[in-house]
Amino acid sequence: QQQVKQSPQSLIVQKGGISIINCAYENTAFDYFPWYQQFPGKGPALLIAIRPDVSEKKEGRFTISFNKSAKQFSLHIMDSQPGDSATYFCAASKTGSARQLTFGSGTQLTVLP
Amino acid sequence: DTAVSQTPKYLVTQMGNDKSIKCEQNLGHDTMYWYKQDSKKFLKIMFSYNNKELIINETVPNRFSPKSPDKAHLNLHINSLELGDSAVYFCASSQGQASEKLFFGSGTQLSVL
Repeated sequence: QQQVKQSPQSLIVQKGGISIINCAYENTAFDYFPWYQQFPGKGPALLIAIRPDVSEKKEGRFTISFNKSAKQFSLHIMDSQPGDSATYFCAASKTGSARQLTFGSGTQLTVLP
Repeated sequence: DTAVSQTPKYLVTQMGNDKSIKCEQNLGHDTMYWYKQDSKKFLKIMFSYNNKELIINETVPNRFSPKSPDKAHLNLHINSLELGDSAVYFCASSQGQASEKLFFGSGTQLSVL
């Protein structure tokens, strides 16, 4: 059972454009939603995370939008840069439970120069 | 200094062989994990250890045996390797079971021929 569904599988954006990656979850007990960034040959690294008490969280060019009623959340990358080219994973878990982190299937982002 | 380090980076072996992957973290964390990333980049937890004790053992063939000599190390031994074991294996750590932030190593790409 795939508890976190992520789309699109791949995304190509021009430099300076906006990249949007979407995720939907099923388990209403989830209350922690991180995004991880993975460069080729490296492990995933935490990029930004949100809890359902807010609808949006912004860190630099990266923003998470959260819709609790729809059980959806998305990552927006503003002014996308070639250095942002990576695979992005959404994930979800219950607070205080990294061992139960469920990952989405990943989105390969390519930002063209 | 690398926070979570795995060796080897690449492992190519014949079917039926036994191999080990080593992981060490210098973050002072007490919870460590093994994740498997398949060819489609899907990340799935295999094992979790807290203070050298196994706390998660997902549905993984018993050919896979984790060993934690101390809380800074978590090794993965695989017996009788099969073609389907080919994947990238990531070690990760977190500050306690209640912590949500995972720190990943750079992965070990295992190819079974």
